[in-house]
Amino acid sequence: ETGVTQSPTHLIKTRGQQVTLRCSSQSGHNTVSWYQQALGQGPQFIFQYYREEENGRGNFPPRFSGLQFPNYSSELNVNALELDDSALYLCASSQSDRDLHEQYFGPGTRLTVT
Amino acid sequence: AQRVTQPEKLLSVFKGAPVELKCNYSYSGSPELFWYVQYSRQRLQLLLRHISRESIKGFTADLNKGETSFHLKKPFAQEEDSAMYYCALGSGGYQKVTFGTGTKLQVIP
Repeated sequence: ETGVTQSPTHLIKTRGQQVTLRCSSQSGHNTVSWYQQALGQGPQFIFQYYREEENGRGNFPPRFSGLQFPNYSSELNVNALELDDSALYLCASSQSDRDLHEQYFGPGTRLTVT
Repeated sequence: AQRVTQPEKLLSVFKGAPVELKCNYSYSGSPELFWYVQYSRQRLQLLLRHISRESIKGFTADLNKGETSFHLKKPFAQEEDSAMYYCALGSGGYQKVTFGTGTKLQVIP
């Protein structure tokens, strides 16, 4: 059984640019959630994908978007990057969207916007 | 709006002393509460959830709906308990989880 993986580990972007972060779910999981964790804060829910459809969204603007693929891997895209987007981005996979089953987190991608 | 409050950023206790990490929540519906833990250089992982009513690594947490609290307790702290602890609230019918800001537990040998 393979765990959740994320790529890249870290990257640096300039304000106004676009970025794509990737997540591979744990084997057998069909649900992926994305979180933003700013320094000194807890993770904040961005959105969730279940079977390739967005299943719920937190308080993030539309320039945060995502995709889930048939193999349940996922992407987080952020357009028009702002300095405040600098954070650790976590994805978490789970088996079901309807019950709050255990989520398995990836190691995160550290994004720095300059 | 749902909210999770962890009032302490840092809690230092001596090995063998009791531990209580505080968590209060605000939610109008029926909450599901969790504690997540992140050890140094490891991933965030689920420690326990209130519906399981189980003890994990000696930790327990009781949901008190009257006080809207879900404090994490352990009678005797161990050095390996040193970590970042996050209280979290599940809601929305899907897996939207609202996290608190976390408490760093430091167990002094």
